[in-house]
Amino acid sequence: KAGVTQTPRYLIKTRGQQVTLSCSPISGHRSVSWYQQTPGQGLQFLFEYFSETQRNKGNFPGRFSGRQFSNSRSEMNVSTLELGDSALYLCASSSDGGPYEQYFGPGTRLTVT
Amino acid sequence: SQQGEEDPQALSIQEGENATMNCSYKTSINNLQWYRQNSGRGLVHLILIRSNEREKHSGRLRVTLDTSKKSSSLLITASRAADTASYFCATPDNFNKFYFGSGTKLNVKP
Repeated sequence: KAGVTQTPRYLIKTRGQQVTLSCSPISGHRSVSWYQQTPGQGLQFLFEYFSETQRNKGNFPGRFSGRQFSNSRSEMNVSTLELGDSALYLCASSSDGGPYEQYFGPGTRLTVT
Repeated sequence: SQQGEEDPQALSIQEGENATMNCSYKTSINNLQWYRQNSGRGLVHLILIRSNEREKHSGRLRVTLDTSKKSSSLLITASRAADTASYFCATPDNFNKFYFGSGTKLNVKP
């Protein structure tokens, strides 16, 4: 089975712009979670989607949003980018969305200048 | 917050030595998981220990869990240069929201 893929791998944006990141889970997995990783805050949970519905949300401003499509692929969007949004964005998938093993993609490195 | 803390933050050892890292968390858990991350890439799941288990082994990995102290430890025996990575503990809550610790950066010198 192919692993979790994320596109693009690297992205440079300017403050005020918006960005969309994409995640394709492992085939058959219905749950996709997104995380932000920074040196200062570590790994922080953004949100989780299961069967096209957002089930959980972390403590991030409304500029961070996401969605999941019927094929379980997910996108996250960040609007009005700020310098502090520079981070590694990771997505993870799991089969039934239970509190068990998550499979992570390689991440998208976002740099905001 | 349920977020775990790991200690030490960094660990440097010689190949062949054992590496031990610890994780503490704050609330009751269903299970605790350990993940490895190589230089800013995705995380790889290593092992899961349920709240009713005290110890679990997988290859060169040994995990212990003490729910009374809200702590866990990960032991890597006979370490190799390829074990150089950051190691994170993770605790999912009842809503499948994962909380990750701050991580231990392990450097294994050949």
